[in-house]
Amino acid sequence: DGGITQSPKYLFRKEGQNVTLSCEQNLNHDAMYWYRQDPGQGLRLIYYSQIVNDFQKGDIAEGYSVSREKKESFPLTVTSAQKNPTAFYLCASSIRDYNSPLHFGNGTRLTVT
Amino acid sequence: KQEVTQIPAALSVPEGENLVLNCSFTDSAIYNLQWFRQDPGKGLTSLLLIQSSQREQTSGRLNASLDKSSGRSTLYIAASQPGDSATYLCAVRGYQGGSEKLVFGKGTKLTVNP
Repeated sequence: DGGITQSPKYLFRKEGQNVTLSCEQNLNHDAMYWYRQDPGQGLRLIYYSQIVNDFQKGDIAEGYSVSREKKESFPLTVTSAQKNPTAFYLCASSIRDYNSPLHFGNGTRLTVT
Repeated sequence: KQEVTQIPAALSVPEGENLVLNCSFTDSAIYNLQWFRQDPGKGLTSLLLIQSSQREQTSGRLNASLDKSSGRSTLYIAASQPGDSATYLCAVRGYQGGSEKLVFGKGTKLTVNP
């Protein structure tokens, strides 16, 4: 079955530690995205990548970093510089056509204490 | 700057009722509008995508309409079932600030009571 896999489902970290969230897709999509979802807010774009070895900052990139070394993978690192990292993180992918729908993974809930 | 609003934030209906969810946006220069469903603790599932040149799209009991000139879209759910209970989000894709962007509303939480 084709889809997007995010792991782990739940992640707990101490303040000051970097943490990496995994996102893998087998849909052969070129474009991949990371969103953050907080209660009562819409999804906010962190980073996106339209092609391997290239990525762009979204609306709230500060305190985050990404890499896109393989088409299938787009890991997100939440660094200690992110002031309020506790949130639900969603990865998505699509073909490189602005009229193509986004496909989402099941998310990773990160709790930093 | 594009803003997307979904009203009401929550809706509760009895099973079998037909219902309409609303989505409004401020900038009519969009490529498309997409409706998603999100179950608690899960990711988003794409329901329907309406291109800017289209007026509506249908999938099963779902029908989405788009009126670009008034900045509005509706998602009509026929004969609602308890399994339709979820949060429904709309998102508009357009070109802003030198890049293509997808802007999400905050969603409408639907509860269908048996």
